[in-house]
Amino acid sequence: SQQGEEDPQALSIQEGENATMNCSYKTSINNLQWYRQNSGRGLVHLILIRSNEREKHSGRLRVTLDTSKKSSSLLITASRAADTASYFCATDGGSNYKLTFGKGTLLTVNP
Amino acid sequence: DAGVIQSPRHEVTEMGQEVTLRCKPISGHDYLFWYRQTMMRGLELLIYFNNNVPIDDSGMPEDRFSAKMPNASFSTLKIQPSEPRDSAVYFCASRGTGLETQYFGPGTRLLVL
Repeated sequence: SQQGEEDPQALSIQEGENATMNCSYKTSINNLQWYRQNSGRGLVHLILIRSNEREKHSGRLRVTLDTSKKSSSLLITASRAADTASYFCATDGGSNYKLTFGKGTLLTVNP
Repeated sequence: DAGVIQSPRHEVTEMGQEVTLRCKPISGHDYLFWYRQTMMRGLELLIYFNNNVPIDDSGMPEDRFSAKMPNASFSTLKIQPSEPRDSAVYFCASRGTGLETQYFGPGTRLLVL
């Protein structure tokens, strides 16, 4: 079963706007990761946040984690058309080896 | 590094035929994962290997699916016989010990008619 569930399923914004995607999960984790998938391509790792961290930044990406609510959010600031892709959260369920992916948020950034 | 390599990139076959998907992980990575992606079910882990040994195959849908890793640089996922419901994109991913992120190949898009 899918442990991570992203919300919304689809998001359409204008270039320059910020995009926020949310992820909820069900069990304890060691870390949570976000991946991006461009159409017709494999997934690419974006950022990892550990269970003892609350916020992490990488360039235009900001990830938050609330383990009490079992939720995470990914914020992309100043979006660009090239950010158009599907974004997935993945949790390790405490295993350190297996990842369980949500169904993703399809982000469309209109020029 | 060339990244994770998968072949073929596209496969069209008829129901009942055998399908073999291939994967070459990143050199030095000792974990290899096979995933299946469909619109309905999203990205599902089928099986993963550590040091060429299958560790968890609980995601393999049924006996028609089998996976092998004869050496550190090669793995196959075989479907025999194939069925239309096997149509999906199959991804291979690898990671190294001590690393927490997985590196995905470009995927094989399988269509079973």
